[in-house]
Amino acid sequence: DIQMTQSPSSLSASVGDRVTITCRASQNIRRFLNWYQETPGKAPKVLIYDVSNLQSGVPSRFSGSGSGTDFTLIISDLQPEDFATYYCQQSYSTPFTFGPGTKVDIK
Amino acid sequence: QVTLRESGPALVKSTQTLTLTCTFSGFSLSTSGMCVSWIRQSPGKALEWLALIDWDDVKFYSTSLKTRLSISKDTSKNQVVLTMTNMGPVDTATYYCARIRATVDSSGTYDWGFFDYWGQGTLVTVSS
Repeated sequence: DIQMTQSPSSLSASVGDRVTITCRASQNIRRFLNWYQETPGKAPKVLIYDVSNLQSGVPSRFSGSGSGTDFTLIISDLQPEDFATYYCQQSYSTPFTFGPGTKVDIK
Repeated sequence: QVTLRESGPALVKSTQTLTLTCTFSGFSLSTSGMCVSWIRQSPGKALEWLALIDWDDVKFYSTSLKTRLSISKDTSKNQVVLTMTNMGPVDTATYYCARIRATVDSSGTYDWGFFDYWGQGTLVTVSS
């Protein structure tokens, strides 16, 4: 199975901050990397698919980059509704795997 | 409008078999490229992918859980059913179903999409 790691596991930030979350795959997954946002009591929601494609309706302050094994999610100008947990997920091959998550909370 | 909804028991006992149903609308699992997956999340833990069934009734399973899982579909009812045998307290989790799309090339290699629609999840507690 492809292992996914994320860093940091948690971070504290303020409204307006720029936040960077990294994700690493245990093998080359080309561009098959997706990012999800999870807020308490709600199902996860896809933010970015295939590394850098913004899902419809997702604000442009979210962006993604990377390829191969190393990927980054950036949230520029953090908003109150962005305090959540973020997961990366590889769709290169089954079994699909998620990263352990990065919790973004209020400083 | 695509929607998915999970249903099943909220409480099961250890060693019992869990049966969950995902009822969906807005797409058909007989349409090429359509797939439904099950994903779970134990309290305070990360998301864990469990199983997937595609439009052609091809099934994929988690490596660690494949001996306990079975996924099936009823296209006429727009339902996908997941069964998990020998439940234990560690299986306490919120179980989600989600749609994912895919294409298959001439060699049979899947090009997977992403989980674009999710159900609201159903919490299953396993008592010991």
